[in-house]
Amino acid sequence: EPEVTQTPSHQVTQMGQEVILRCVPISNHLYFYWYRQILGQKVEFLVSFYNNEISEKSEIFDDQFSVERPDGSNFTLKIRSTKLEDSAMYFCASSPRFGPYNEQFFGPGTRLTVL
Amino acid sequence: AQSVTQLGSHVSVSEGALVLLRCNYSSSVPPYLFWYVQYPNQGLQLLLKYTSAATLVKGINGFEAEFKKSETSFHLTKPSAHMSDAAEYFCAVSDKGSQGNLIFGKGTKLSVKP
Repeated sequence: EPEVTQTPSHQVTQMGQEVILRCVPISNHLYFYWYRQILGQKVEFLVSFYNNEISEKSEIFDDQFSVERPDGSNFTLKIRSTKLEDSAMYFCASSPRFGPYNEQFFGPGTRLTVL
Repeated sequence: AQSVTQLGSHVSVSEGALVLLRCNYSSSVPPYLFWYVQYPNQGLQLLLKYTSAATLVKGINGFEAEFKKSETSFHLTKPSAHMSDAAEYFCAVSDKGSQGNLIFGKGTKLSVKP
């Protein structure tokens, strides 16, 4: 069964460094999402992406963050200069259809630790 | 702003017992409602969703949830717990006017005792 994959599973970085989190969505899906979960807190929406453009973003998704679909398969989240408070589990999701009632398929997450 | 509350960060039941995981939403306009499950080292997997058809929704693995507008609730139940149900369960909503971004509760970790 097709699934969303994410790499790496765990990333440790120093404060101020750039990180790129990678996701491979399900191949025929067109809508892509990033969420994050800080330890002990809720899963929070970061950004949605369609047709090589950001569709919607939350207040968390500031200028430090960017997303890209560099080729036909990968979907990446870049954090330009990491802060301690960026430590979280980051989930990628994809969906074949657009709309608030459609299922999103999630990857297993990347745990980012900023030291 | 829309919010989701899951009562109980950790629920423990015996194998064969009823599972009840609680979820309440805040919107006065009923949103679309979802339950996701996360097994260790895996992504979130959709259990079931409510999209304003039947108020009792049946999902995978014997789970079901009932939408109650008067209580702004969407509690998840399973009549008889199995060891394989041990996982973390997330309730989420999506506003009807939104582009689909999900608003999650904090999650409830379900433990099943033999």
